[in-house]
Amino acid sequence: NAGVTQTPKFQVLKTGQSMTLQCAQDMNHNSMYWYRQDPGMGLRLIYYSASEGTTDKGEVPNGYNVSRLNKREFSLRLESAAPSQTSVYFCASSERGQGALANYGYTFGSGTRLTVV
Amino acid sequence: AQSVSQHNHHVILSEAASLELGCNYSYGGTVNLFWYVQYPGQHLQLLLKYFSGDPLVKGIKGFEAEFIKSKFSFNLRKPSVQWSDTAEYFCAVRSGYSTLTFGKGTMLLVSP
Repeated sequence: NAGVTQTPKFQVLKTGQSMTLQCAQDMNHNSMYWYRQDPGMGLRLIYYSASEGTTDKGEVPNGYNVSRLNKREFSLRLESAAPSQTSVYFCASSERGQGALANYGYTFGSGTRLTVV
Repeated sequence: AQSVSQHNHHVILSEAASLELGCNYSYGGTVNLFWYVQYPGQHLQLLLKYFSGDPLVKGIKGFEAEFIKSKFSFNLRKPSVQWSDTAEYFCAVRSGYSTLTFGKGTMLLVSP
């Protein structure tokens, strides 16, 4: 089925370890996003990539890096994991239209539940 | 910068009760508005969206929302909830070329 695929689904890290969360979409979308979801905080944007070759910081970028590998793939890296990064991470993608408010929404992946101990 | 405020963090209803979840946004220009639902253990799914035109928007599973520009509101409604509507609901706004900004969510528990 077409959509956004995230791997892994679950991960436990020790403080200081590094890991990369993978995201791929097969809808030929231009834009991709990484959000984290924490109880009572909603979803907060970590980084996004408006188009292939570009990345920008979101609301909570500290402690993370991203790579837009190609149009399909957008990875999120934790270089030195901290307990504060325990969260559920969602990747999303969207088309980016011509107008300022082109008619598009986001499609979300199923999430990665990360625990840092 | 745009922001979204959801009025209730938790709502508990009995089956067949009517539902209204409040959402207000802060941005003076043209916006796109969304409601997403997240069932337990699942990812976010789009319930409905407003881009332009009729301010009363109908979505999936009997949900609807009304955009009231003068009140900067986009409240979600359903006439009669079911146990299967138990989920967390997120309002979101996008303006211009900005990214999607989410509210903090409302957890709805429907008791049978």
